[in-house]
Amino acid sequence: AQTVTQSQPEMSVQEAETVTLSCTYDTSESDYYLFWYKQPPSRQMILVIRQEAYKQQNATENRFSVNFQKAAKSFSLKISDSQLGDAAMYFCAYRPNFGNEKLTFGTGTRLTIIP
Amino acid sequence: DAGVIQSPRHEVTEMGQEVTLRCKPISGHNSLFWYRQTMMRGLELLIYFNNNVPIDDSGMPEDRFSAKMPNASFSTLKIQPSEPRDSAVYFCASRLGPGNTIYFGEGSWLTVV
Repeated sequence: AQTVTQSQPEMSVQEAETVTLSCTYDTSESDYYLFWYKQPPSRQMILVIRQEAYKQQNATENRFSVNFQKAAKSFSLKISDSQLGDAAMYFCAYRPNFGNEKLTFGTGTRLTIIP
Repeated sequence: DAGVIQSPRHEVTEMGQEVTLRCKPISGHNSLFWYRQTMMRGLELLIYFNNNVPIDDSGMPEDRFSAKMPNASFSTLKIQPSEPRDSAVYFCASRLGPGNTIYFGEGSWLTVV
């Protein structure tokens, strides 16, 4: 069974600084997707970034980028120039490309931005 | 564009009552998911549909839970009878098709007292 582990329950960063959130996963599949979702206090789940496992290039979305290490099964999220609006719970998620396509989530990391 | 629409946003009900949560997926999406989020168990997939057909309901906790998707633009998740341990945020999500990103609604916050 696939598992997703986020070992940092809480992180904090000074506004305008850079922070990296960690995620590791376990799977026997070779073709899959990885995601980072953001959940602000409103509780809505918002997609931040997605990575296809077959792509070697790390995904980037404005201030958000990932470091995808397939062999190590690691998928960290880097937030540059942190802003107050980045404060939220961040969830790492995995989904295989074939078969049962359900998303498996990690337990989340609560990110606090210090003004 | 309208996202996934869920109702109600918040509901407080008494134990033993029937609860119905509703979801309208993004137009054109053919996969729909129901997730539950609790402090103890995090985010769990309850059931998902492809083309209105339930594909995997192994996450449905017990017979008190049922989900339907009578057409491509509407789904319900029903709990009957409800219990305090059902208190959670229930998310509906949809996807255009295999390989595409799953988009979530704003969630329905259920409290059973």
